[in-house]
Amino acid sequence: DAGVTQSPTHLIKTRGQHVTLRCSPISGHKSVSWYQQVLGQGPQFIFQYYEKEERGRGNFPDRFSARQFPNYSSELNVNALLLGDSALYLCASSLTAGHEKLFFGSGTQLSVL
Amino acid sequence: EDQVTQSPEALRLQEGESSSLNCSYTVSGLRGLFWYRQDPGKGPEFLFTLYSAGEEKEKERLKATLTKKESFLHITAPKPEDSATYLCAVGVNYGGSQGNLIFGKGTKLSVKP
Repeated sequence: DAGVTQSPTHLIKTRGQHVTLRCSPISGHKSVSWYQQVLGQGPQFIFQYYEKEERGRGNFPDRFSARQFPNYSSELNVNALLLGDSALYLCASSLTAGHEKLFFGSGTQLSVL
Repeated sequence: EDQVTQSPEALRLQEGESSSLNCSYTVSGLRGLFWYRQDPGKGPEFLFTLYSAGEEKEKERLKATLTKKESFLHITAPKPEDSATYLCAVGVNYGGSQGNLIFGKGTKLSVKP
C-alpha cells in the first residue's frame, strides 16, 4: 500500500508569493494533519482536518489555510510568503481524529528567497 | 504551558555501546507519549506510543518507558543503522484538535562502527 504522498518535494518561492502544497493520505485514513518543521526543531502543528472539517489550528497566522477534499486529500496554502516560512512542511494521516500514531509523508521543502 | 524537552541534543556512540535518550514533559492532561525516528530528508516514522506511567514497549534494540514526568528511549547494543534523530511528542488537546502532537527538538544519534 502507498504511504502518505506529498507534492512537490521541493519548492523555491520569493517573498510575497503564494504557495500550495498537496497531500494524499494513506487509503482509508480520514484525518490529515499539517506540521511545519524548521531546521533543527521538532515539527510544529499547523492544522488538522477530519472528514473534510477543520478540527484544530495551531498558532499560525491567517496567511496559512488548508482544506480537505471528498477523497480525503488535502491542500495547505500559504499567502504573502515571508523568509521565515522556509521550512519542511509535513503532512500526516491517521484513521481517526484522536490521539493515535500518525503516518508522515516525506514532506515538501519550501525555500523562500 | 505544554512543553517537551529532549536531552541530550546530540549523542555519539560506538557500535554496541548502550545508552538512553530522555524526554521530559509538562502537559495539562497527557493523551499519549509518542516516539518517532526521523532520517535526513524524510518524515518522522512512528516507533512507540505510551499512555500510562509504568508502561514499557520494545522493538528490536529499542525500549521505551514512561513515568509521570518523563520518558526514556533505551538503545541496547546500537548499530550504525540506528543513526537518526529521535523525536518525542505528547498528545494534547490544543487549538480544538484532538490529534495535535507537541514535539521536542529531538536527539540526533550517531553510531560509529
